[in-house]
Amino acid sequence: GEDVEQSLFLSVREGDSSVINCTYTDSSSTYLYWYKQEPGAGLQLLTYIFSNMDMKQDQRLTVLLNKKDKHLSLRIADTQTGDSAIYFCAETSSNTGKLIFGQGTTLQVKP
Amino acid sequence: ETGVTQTPRHLVMGMTNKKSLKCEQHLGHNAMYWYKQSAKKPLELMFVYSLEERVENNSVPSRFSPECPNSSHLFLHLHTLQPEDSALYLCASSQDSGAGETQYFGPGTRLLVL
Repeated sequence: GEDVEQSLFLSVREGDSSVINCTYTDSSSTYLYWYKQEPGAGLQLLTYIFSNMDMKQDQRLTVLLNKKDKHLSLRIADTQTGDSAIYFCAETSSNTGKLIFGQGTTLQVKP
Repeated sequence: ETGVTQTPRHLVMGMTNKKSLKCEQHLGHNAMYWYKQSAKKPLELMFVYSLEERVENNSVPSRFSPECPNSSHLFLHLHTLQPEDSALYLCASSQDSGAGETQYFGPGTRLLVL
């Protein structure tokens, strides 16, 4: 079946880079997403990448996609305390068109 | 008001109560979704509506009853819930319900069933 896996926790120091990793199983997935959820809030779309791209950069965010290994990563440069949140990776199922979410990675940024 | 809004933000109800969650999107989208987010579990898709018609019902118990009176509003009617139904209920919308459509989420309703 379709599955998305993420590590559950990452801790970094303010100013360092954060790299959040995600693996997925649907090799035909068309779009892959990163969402951010701050405490007590809903999901905020951060960025997405189409499956024919290897990389996408948006200010401090860099998304890398390795289709061969079915691996997606989100790099946050110069991580700030305001980046502390849960980050969800999601893929679009090629079968159903539905979003399949990972369990979320909690990013803790220490001052 | 812009984006996707949800009310109430927090709700506490007993197992015999009846309540409703409301979602409104101001994006001109045609598709709306209900998700359930429980602690330490991936988001679970509950219902999908496209142009006010239900197109997806993911084996959700009948104690959850959705209603979509128009493409901007989505309700989730709750009755005789169980404590395990306590969760964050998220509404989302997208331009259409097809594959690859980017979904935009509301802030959620935190539900506690006693």
